[in-house]
Amino acid sequence: EAQVTQNPRYLITVTGKKLTVTCSQNMNHEYMSWYRQDPGLGLRQIYYSMNVEVTDKGDVPEGYKVSRKEKRNFPLILESPSPNQTSLYFCASSSRDRGAHEQYFGPGTRLTVT
Amino acid sequence: GQQLNQSPQSMFIQEGEDVSMNCTSSSIFNTWLWYKQEPGEGPVLLIALYKAGELTSNGRLTAQFGITRKDSFLNISASIPSDVGIYFCAGLNTGNQFYFGTGTSLTVIP
Repeated sequence: EAQVTQNPRYLITVTGKKLTVTCSQNMNHEYMSWYRQDPGLGLRQIYYSMNVEVTDKGDVPEGYKVSRKEKRNFPLILESPSPNQTSLYFCASSSRDRGAHEQYFGPGTRLTVT
Repeated sequence: GQQLNQSPQSMFIQEGEDVSMNCTSSSIFNTWLWYKQEPGEGPVLLIALYKAGELTSNGRLTAQFGITRKDSFLNISASIPSDVGIYFCAGLNTGNQFYFGTGTSLTVIP
């Protein structure tokens, strides 16, 4: 089954404790992206990657890191999480054959930073 | 960042009624997309629009890419209870960045 998986689905952590949220897709997609969703603000793009070893900042990259060492994986790293990073995070992927438009989203990771 | 203004914020309609929502931007986009999100899930793509003026249908859903490239609308005809959810517009710019609207919450009353 074609899908985007994220782990963990739920995470409660404390300020300053480094964490990684994994994202994996099995569709051989080139384009992958991370979003955060906050009430009243919709989804905002954090980082995106057009292909392996190519990453670019989205609209709200501060406080986040990403890497794209393999085509299928695109982890999101919070080196020193802060309470304002409490949010619902989504990973998405799409094929460049279709202009990176038709994104498939993962199920989301709800992060709480205390 | 670029702002997409989506309206209305919420709608409460009777089953069978038609629904219309729209999205405007201060910037031009090359692609407009419409997504639906249900509780506890990620957004699902409904319609993608690639050319200014384009009108595209997907079942009871119809969307248009505004001629100025700064707006788009989505219509749902003859609404049914399973249409309930939050609908988001999104624009893709030349830099391959996506921007999303703030969403329209749709409630369908049987």
